[in-house]
Amino acid sequence: KAGVTQTPRYLIKTRGQQVTLSCSPISGHRSVSWYQQTPGQGLQFLFEYFSETQRNKGNFPGRFSGRQFSNSRSEMNVSTLELGDSALYLCASSLAQGHTGELFFGEGSRLTVL
Amino acid sequence: GESVGLHLPTLSVQEGDNSIINCAYSNSASDYFIWYKQESGKGPQFIIDIRSNMDKRQGQRVTVLLNKTVKHLSLQIAATQPGDSAVYFCAEKRTDSWGKFQFGAGTQVVVTP
Repeated sequence: KAGVTQTPRYLIKTRGQQVTLSCSPISGHRSVSWYQQTPGQGLQFLFEYFSETQRNKGNFPGRFSGRQFSNSRSEMNVSTLELGDSALYLCASSLAQGHTGELFFGEGSRLTVL
Repeated sequence: GESVGLHLPTLSVQEGDNSIINCAYSNSASDYFIWYKQESGKGPQFIIDIRSNMDKRQGQRVTVLLNKTVKHLSLQIAATQPGDSAVYFCAEKRTDSWGKFQFGAGTQVVVTP
């Protein structure tokens, strides 16, 4: 069964621009979570979606947003990019409710902001 | 200014020896714990999990120990192999938190021949 797919894998943007990252979860997984990974802060939770609704949100500014589609695919958007947004953005899917909640991660989208 | 990177603790292990990776978790309300392995250029990969009603769980070559009294989690890897070289993260959450995990800083494991 195919794993979590994230696109694009690498991208370079400049300050002030915006970026959209995409995530396709494992088939049958309805929960999608997003994490930011940086050398300075480690892995930090951004948000989680289930059935097209945001269920949890981490402590990030409003420039970070996301959404989930009816097929469980998810996108996250970062507007007005700052240098500090350079990071590996990881998407993870899970079976969610009623399950222990093991997360299955994608390979990530590495964003560089210049 | 430039951010300071997390100083990842490093565990150097000789091939064939056992490894023990430790983690202190923060939330006493957490009832589910996971260990992940992250190889360079890849996303974290599930190793083993444990619920708070257990104190030990074994998998293939791995054992997780949970001490709720001192909020401590450990991962033991038996007969460490070169392929075990990676960064290992512990993560905690409450069961009703679904996909919202709190991750530890990670430990870099280096296996030497």
